[in-house]
Amino acid sequence: DAGVIQSPRHEVTEMGQEVTLRCKPISGHNSLFWYRQTMMRGLELLIYFNNNVPIDDSGMPEDRFSAKMPNASFSTLKIQPSEPRDSAVYFCASRPDRGVVDTIYFGEGSWLTVV
Amino acid sequence: GENVEQHPSTLSVQEGDSAVIKCTYSDSASNYFPWYKQELGKRPQLIIDIRSNVGEKKDQRIAVTLNKTAKHFSLHITETQPEDSAVYFCAAYPGGYQKVTFGTGTKLQVIP
Repeated sequence: DAGVIQSPRHEVTEMGQEVTLRCKPISGHNSLFWYRQTMMRGLELLIYFNNNVPIDDSGMPEDRFSAKMPNASFSTLKIQPSEPRDSAVYFCASRPDRGVVDTIYFGEGSWLTVV
Repeated sequence: GENVEQHPSTLSVQEGDSAVIKCTYSDSASNYFPWYKQELGKRPQLIIDIRSNVGEKKDQRIAVTLNKTAKHFSLHITETQPEDSAVYFCAAYPGGYQKVTFGTGTKLQVIP
């Protein structure tokens, strides 16, 4: 398997623009997570899905952030409008949630810079 | 919800010495404790994990210990090498469809 695939890997955008980050989880994994990583706040869980249903979105910072998972192989995290403080690395991760396999597998991350 | 505390936040050791990173958790339902290593500019990757029915687990130079009564677990790296330099994250997870809670990370520097 190719692992968790994220795009874009790097994005630089101007404040106020819409940003869409994409994720393809590992095939067969039932849970998908979106994390944000910054120097100040470390790894923050934004939202996670199980079987395409959002389970916990309490980490989504504000209404500018939204996430969808229309099917088992695709998820998006959207920021509209973007602000400089949104600059961070956004990781998508997936987990099998079958039996004893509990490991979370991270994608390579999307490095977002908002200027 | 679960709260995971990790110490220290930074750790410098001489090459060949041992390094120990400690985590505590709050939710007694947590039963899976993975450790991730994140090299600069890379994604976090699992290096070792332990389940609540085991007190200790080793993999070459890396070991993890778990004390369920005290709700703490530790990562031990022996004979450290420069390539061990990275940020290490602990995490706790109660299983099922629950979320994984990560610690704040420890930046380990191994000085040659």
